[in-house]
Amino acid sequence: EPEVTQTPSHQVTQMGQEVILRCVPISNHLYFYWYRQILGQKVEFLVSFYNNEISEKSEIFDDQFSVERPDGSNFTLKIRSTKLEDSAMYFCASSVEDIDTEAFFGQGTRLTVV
Amino acid sequence: AQSVTQPDIHITVSEGASLELRCNYSYGATPYLFWYVQSPGQGLQLLLKYFSGDTLVQGIKGFEAEFKRSQSSFNLRKPSVHWSDAAEYFCAVGAGRGSSNTGKLIFGQGTTLQVKP
Repeated sequence: EPEVTQTPSHQVTQMGQEVILRCVPISNHLYFYWYRQILGQKVEFLVSFYNNEISEKSEIFDDQFSVERPDGSNFTLKIRSTKLEDSAMYFCASSVEDIDTEAFFGQGTRLTVV
Repeated sequence: AQSVTQPDIHITVSEGASLELRCNYSYGATPYLFWYVQSPGQGLQLLLKYFSGDTLVQGIKGFEAEFKRSQSSFNLRKPSVHWSDAAEYFCAVGAGRGSSNTGKLIFGQGTTLQVKP
């Protein structure tokens, strides 16, 4: 069964460093999303991406964050200068449409900023 | 403001007992509602969704949920819980711009289900 895959499963980075989280969405999907979940808190929407553009973003998704689809298969989330409060589980998701269907989630990347 | 509330942070039930997980939402328009499950080390898996039509929806793994507009609720139920159902359960509402209801989800804080043998 097709699935969304995320790498790495766990990443530790020093505060101030740039980090790139990688995702391979399901191959025929056109809409892509990032979410994060800080330990003990809700899963929060960060950004949606379609046709090589950001469709929608939350207040969390500030200038420190960027997304890219560098080739036909990968979808990445970059955090330019990580802060301690960026420590969280980051989920990638994809969907074939953005109406009346479901988003499929990856297993997540746990980011720890030290 | 749009929000989803899961009043129970943690629930413990005995194997074979029935289960109901509560979810209340606040959303101005017609809600599109989802239940996701997350097992340890796994991603979020969709259990079921409600878009329109019959207010009782069936999902995978024997789960069902009932949409009650008058109560702003979308509670998840299962008649007989199995030990493998132990996981974290998230209720969510689709809240994208315009008619989009799939990818921008507002989640509740989750309910952790523990199953006693």
